Amino acid sequence: KAGVTQTPRYLIKTRGQQVTLSCSPISGHRSVSWYQQTPGQGLQFLFEYFSETQRNKGNFPGRFSGRQFSNSRSEMNVSTLELGDSALYLCASYTDRGPNYGYTFGSGTRLTVV
Amino acid sequence: AQSVTQLDSQVPVFEEAPVELRCNYSSSVSVYLFWYVQYPNQGLQLLLKYLSGSTLVKGINGFEAEFNKSQTSFHLRKPSVHISDTAEYFCAARGNKLVFGAGTILRVKS
Repeated sequence: KAGVTQTPRYLIKTRGQQVTLSCSPISGHRSVSWYQQTPGQGLQFLFEYFSETQRNKGNFPGRFSGRQFSNSRSEMNVSTLELGDSALYLCASYTDRGPNYGYTFGSGTRLTVV
Repeated sequence: AQSVTQLDSQVPVFEEAPVELRCNYSSSVSVYLFWYVQYPNQGLQLLLKYLSGSTLVKGINGFEAEFNKSQTSFHLRKPSVHISDTAEYFCAARGNKLVFGAGTILRVKS
């Protein structure tokens, strides 16, 4: 069974630009969560999607948005990038069924804003 | 509000020595508990999880953790560490969402 795929692995953007990150969950998983990881703030929850609906959201400004498609793939978008948005963005595929209950993480997208 | 506290930011230990990484959680509802490991420039790998049942949970790479409801703790242990265990370890709890502790860097010295 393929794991969680995040693309791209690395990105360099300029302040003021926007960026879109992609996440393909494990086949059959209908829930995807996004996290931002920085040295200063650690792992912070961005949002969670289930069957194309956002069912939970963290404390991030409206510049951070996401969506989930009918095939469960998810994208997150950050508009008007700031230097402080430089981080590792992690996506997790979630299932609440059976022995595999829990979250499986992708390798992340390293975003650098210059 | 749900929160997770990892009591040590760094734990240095010699190779083949035992280690304990401490984690306390705070929640007014039932939680599911997890330990993850992260190697540099990689995602998070699940070590073990507690959902219900036996309070002693065994995971991969020889790690185990004990759920203690009265002390709201979920400490991670390994009886004998290896150099390759050097990494950052995260404790996490899920109530209505997955919340992480700040992480503990385990440094194994030869």
